[in-house]
Amino acid sequence: AQSVTQLDSQVPVFEEAPVELRCNYSSSVSVYLFWYVQYPNQGLQLLLKYLSGSTLVESINGFEAEFNKSQTSFHLRKPSVHISDTAEYFCAVSDGGTYKYIFGTGTRLKVLA
Amino acid sequence: EPEVTQTPSHQVTQMGQEVILRCVPISNHLYFYWYRQILGQKVEFLVSFYNNEISEKSEIFDDQFSVERPDGSNFTLKIRSTKLEDSAMYFCASVGLAGGRGTGELFFGEGSRLTVL
Repeated sequence: AQSVTQLDSQVPVFEEAPVELRCNYSSSVSVYLFWYVQYPNQGLQLLLKYLSGSTLVESINGFEAEFNKSQTSFHLRKPSVHISDTAEYFCAVSDGGTYKYIFGTGTRLKVLA
Repeated sequence: EPEVTQTPSHQVTQMGQEVILRCVPISNHLYFYWYRQILGQKVEFLVSFYNNEISEKSEIFDDQFSVERPDGSNFTLKIRSTKLEDSAMYFCASVGLAGGRGTGELFFGEGSRLTVL
């Protein structure tokens, strides 16, 4: 069965600093990978996804993630964070043919002024 | 932009009571899901539903849980006799297929927070 590991439960970082949130998944023949963001008291919003093609995917608000098949990773990065990026970030994986997502335990990103 | 809507946003109930959480998926979507998130924990899959029947369910989804699509728009999760440990945020999600094996992503609702006292 698929599994997702987010090793960092909390990541504090100063505003305008770069950040990387790590995500590793168990190996599978084909996977779809996702990052979701959850702001306080809100639902899950899709941040970005990898389905196929280019291994580097970007979101509209400056986040990017790179699918690395050999390392079974899909780390999320942003070169310069803002206070408004403070949220919980969830990595998720699904087997290629299903939409049963397996979520990681989440990483709480706290951006400090 | 179409969205998944859930009601109620928050429900408080007594242990042993029945609860129905409602969801209106995106109108042309075909697959429907319920996930839950216990406070401070990860999001967990409960059940998937397609063509008016359950296609997959997790260990969490025991006999106390049921799902139904009573009409063409609503998708409901019923908990027959709530327990304290059912307190969680419940997310509904839906997906439409973009050809082939499906290349879309899950669209989640805002969630229904259930508090069992």
